[in-house]
Amino acid sequence: GAVVSQHPSWVICKSGTSVKIECRSLDFQATTMFWYRQFPKQSLMLMATSNEGSKATYEQGVEKDKFLINHASLTLSTLTVTSAHPEDSSFYICSARGGGAGVTIDEQFFGPGTRLTVL
Amino acid sequence: AQSVTQLDSHVSVSEGTPVLLRCNYSSSYSPSLFWYVQHPNKGLQLLLKYTSAATLVKGINGFEAEFKKSETSFHLTKPSAHMSDAAEYFCVVRPDTGRRALTFGSGTRLQVQP
Repeated sequence: GAVVSQHPSWVICKSGTSVKIECRSLDFQATTMFWYRQFPKQSLMLMATSNEGSKATYEQGVEKDKFLINHASLTLSTLTVTSAHPEDSSFYICSARGGGAGVTIDEQFFGPGTRLTVL
Repeated sequence: AQSVTQLDSHVSVSEGTPVLLRCNYSSSYSPSLFWYVQHPNKGLQLLLKYTSAATLVKGINGFEAEFKKSETSFHLTKPSAHMSDAAEYFCVVRPDTGRRALTFGSGTRLQVQP
């Protein structure tokens, strides 16, 4: 099956610094990638949708200048949390949808998530 | 607009007994419906999906779900729970138009007692 990886799996940073999270589709081309945020014991909330080579589409209430998303290639998307603050601490999950051998174009595959803690 | 409601935030069963996780949905269009499972420190795994074919959908690990349009429900069941089934389960709805983004329910934590 299709595999999506995220790096790092966890990160701790100081308030005011920026953190970059990578999401990679390992064996298929991800034409669309999604970024979610999950607070403890809560559901996943969609933050933004990105198509390769295009600007990301952000959900209502998500600050695009704070959560920078880049989808420069068909296998890589990055989420940068700029000037992070403790309230940005959360579990960030990406998913990818695309096509290729053995991959249903319509299905989303999820990464394992990145736990961000801002001190 | 679409939404999904998981009626129980926490379900506890004994090993070997049936599992029922309830989900109701609301969608302006004919939706696709999914159940995902999330184990601690692991990525979301697709259990099963309904995409307007057979209303009774069989998934992995012995799970199945029945789409009932008249009740706008998509409950997840399993005849006999295993300890390894303990996890968080999410019911998810996706419209078949537009960006087709997923909308997640609030999740149900399944606890399996020995």
